Amino acid sequence: QVQLQQSGPGLVKPSQTLSLTCAISGDSVSSSSVAWNWIRQSPSRGLEWLGMTQYSSKWYNNYAVSVKNRIIINPDTSKNQFSLQLNSVTPEDTAVYYCARGSWRAVDYWGQGTLVTVSS
Amino acid sequence: DIQLTQSPSSVSASVGDRVTITCRASQGIAGWVAWYQQKPGEAPKLLINRVSSLQNGVPSRFSGSGSGTDFTLTISGLQPEDFATYYCQEANSFPLLTFGGGTKVEIK
Repeated sequence: QVQLQQSGPGLVKPSQTLSLTCAISGDSVSSSSVAWNWIRQSPSRGLEWLGMTQYSSKWYNNYAVSVKNRIIINPDTSKNQFSLQLNSVTPEDTAVYYCARGSWRAVDYWGQGTLVTVSS
Repeated sequence: DIQLTQSPSSVSASVGDRVTITCRASQGIAGWVAWYQQKPGEAPKLLINRVSSLQNGVPSRFSGSGSGTDFTLTISGLQPEDFATYYCQEANSFPLLTFGGGTKVEIK
C-alpha cells in the first residue's frame, strides 16, 4: 500500500520560499512507471497541478506555466522522497498543498495535505 | 490549455437517486479523463480513470462515459457516503493535469 507523508511549515512570509517534503512508502521515487506530483487547492483557483518529477533512464521535471519561474521539484533517492520549493510567494499562494502519485495519467495516491498560509 | 467546465456546480439529491455530473472540455480529449470524490478535510480519491475504468474497491454504482468534449459521471442509487464534491480531470497534455471546478452533491 502506497503512503505519502507530507511535512513542512504551515506559515510562510510573503517573498520567502515555501518548502514541503513528501516521504514515500510502498513505492520508489525512482519508479519509472509513475510520476510524483505536487498539486494545490484553494477556493479561488480550485485544484491546480503545479509540477512533477519522474525517472525514466534520467530524471524529468515538468512545471505548470503559472509557476514555472519560481518552482523546483527535487527527488531524493537516498530518503525515498521528493520536495517542493516555491519561491517568492505571495498571499495568492495560500492553499492546501498535496503531494501525489501519478499513474496512467491520473492521481491514484495523495498525501494528507498541508495548509500553507502566506502572511506576514 | 484545455479548460474543463463541470455542471451543475451543485446538486441536491436524496438517497437512492440517480445523479449525473457533466464535464465539458474546451477542446476534444483523447480519452484520458478521470473522476475524483472529495470529502471535507480529505484529499481527493480517484474513482474512475480513462473515462470509464473503475478503480479497485470503488462501488459499481459509479460509472463514467463520454467522448470528444463531453464526459459524464453517474451515480446510480446514491448512498449516504456519496455526499461529497466530485471533480473531473483530463490529461490530454500530459504531464499537465487539468481539473474541473467541482460539483457538490448535497442532501436534499
